[in-house]
Amino acid sequence: GNSVTQMEGPVTLSEEAFLTINCTYTATGYPSLFWYVQYPGEGLQLLLKATKADDKGSNKGFEATYRKETTSFHLEKGSVQVSDSAVYFCALRLNNNDMRFGAGTRLTVKP
Amino acid sequence: NAGVTQTPKFQVLKTGQSMTLQCAQDMNHNSMYWYRQDPGMGLRLIYYSASEGTTDKGEVPNGYNVSRLNKREFSLRLESAAPSQTSVYFCASSEAVRAGELFFGEGSRLTVL
Repeated sequence: GNSVTQMEGPVTLSEEAFLTINCTYTATGYPSLFWYVQYPGEGLQLLLKATKADDKGSNKGFEATYRKETTSFHLEKGSVQVSDSAVYFCALRLNNNDMRFGAGTRLTVKP
Repeated sequence: NAGVTQTPKFQVLKTGQSMTLQCAQDMNHNSMYWYRQDPGMGLRLIYYSASEGTTDKGEVPNGYNVSRLNKREFSLRLESAAPSQTSVYFCASSEAVRAGELFFGEGSRLTVL
């Protein structure tokens, strides 16, 4: 079936460290891929997305590239800040009715 | 901009009680969704409504019912709450396209004793 697997957390980094959160997917067809972020006490909000192979989504210094050959959509940021502390969810969408989320990765950035 | 509004934000129920979670969106989206979020399990789809007048089951529909009252509103009802339904519930809406992002409400934390 269609599913998303992302690296387990929690992840703890020092400020200005490099971040990678791995995400791989299984899908029948050609999904759009998303990263959502959830700050404490809030709902999820879109961080970035990519709709076809080799597309790169980017926002707020975060990037992810849609890799069809490895079925991956890893999230990266070159220099994290304390304000990036949140839970990050990878997701895929095949059609109107099928948005699948990973389990989420909690990131804590320490000053 | 209100976006997606859910009520209530917090609720405590006793086993067997019923309640309805309300959701409204002001973005003129056709599609609306109810998810539950449990630790370590991400978000799981309970029910969705692709358009006004239609509803369909998601991954975990047992114990829930929904109503798409109009284009704006999509409610989730627990007829006889169980402790296993203790969770955080999120309503979301989107355009009905493959690349469309979901817009989420702030969540409703439900505890069933």
